[in-house]
Amino acid sequence: QTVVTQEPSFSVSPGGTVTLTCGLTSGSVSTSYYPSWYQQTPGQSPRTLIYSTNTRSSGVPDRFSGSILGNKAALTITGAQADDESDYYCMLYMGSGISVFGGGTKLTVL
Amino acid sequence: QLQLQESGPGLVRPSETLSLTCTVSGGSINTDNLYWGWIRQPPGQGLEWIGSIYYSGSAYCNPSLKSRVTLSVDTSKNQFSLRLISVTAADTGVYYCARHVGGGIQKFDYWGQGTLVTVSS
Repeated sequence: QTVVTQEPSFSVSPGGTVTLTCGLTSGSVSTSYYPSWYQQTPGQSPRTLIYSTNTRSSGVPDRFSGSILGNKAALTITGAQADDESDYYCMLYMGSGISVFGGGTKLTVL
Repeated sequence: QLQLQESGPGLVRPSETLSLTCTVSGGSINTDNLYWGWIRQPPGQGLEWIGSIYYSGSAYCNPSLKSRVTLSVDTSKNQFSLRLISVTAADTGVYYCARHVGGGIQKFDYWGQGTLVTVSS
């Protein structure tokens, strides 16, 4: 069974740049997996940041960007702010109607 | 503005059936290329896709849950529902309903606030 992998945790300094990744235990992530990214703060519903690899959802600041880096999907935050401290989840479409979330990355801004 | 609201019991006994309904307002569930999905989150853990259903009733489910899950849709009430049978403590968590844009996009873009379901005797 293929699992979607994410870094469990990451830290970034205020104003810094961080890249979170989303991979597969078997194979490479491509645009055909339609990677999407979600931000979740404690007690809140997830918020959609990026879909179809690199399309920002309405209202999402342009400091958030998505891409494919090597064999993984990536979420880059440029100029990190304190309120970017959240959990970030990627989701991949595996085909045949099946979607899978990664385990999430807890981002600390300090 | 599209809104989704989950409803259902907050406490379910082990081996019984978890039943939740999501009511959609501000938009029609009868829309092409839109699915309506369920996602859950155990306490302190990550998100897990449960399944998604089209207004026609066509549904896709997480293979790990497929044997226990039934999804249904009631277009007359603009609602869709989840039934999960034979629950255990591992099914405890926050259950979200969400709009699932399918086709060449594949994203959840509108989410309910979530409802906590606890499985306990």
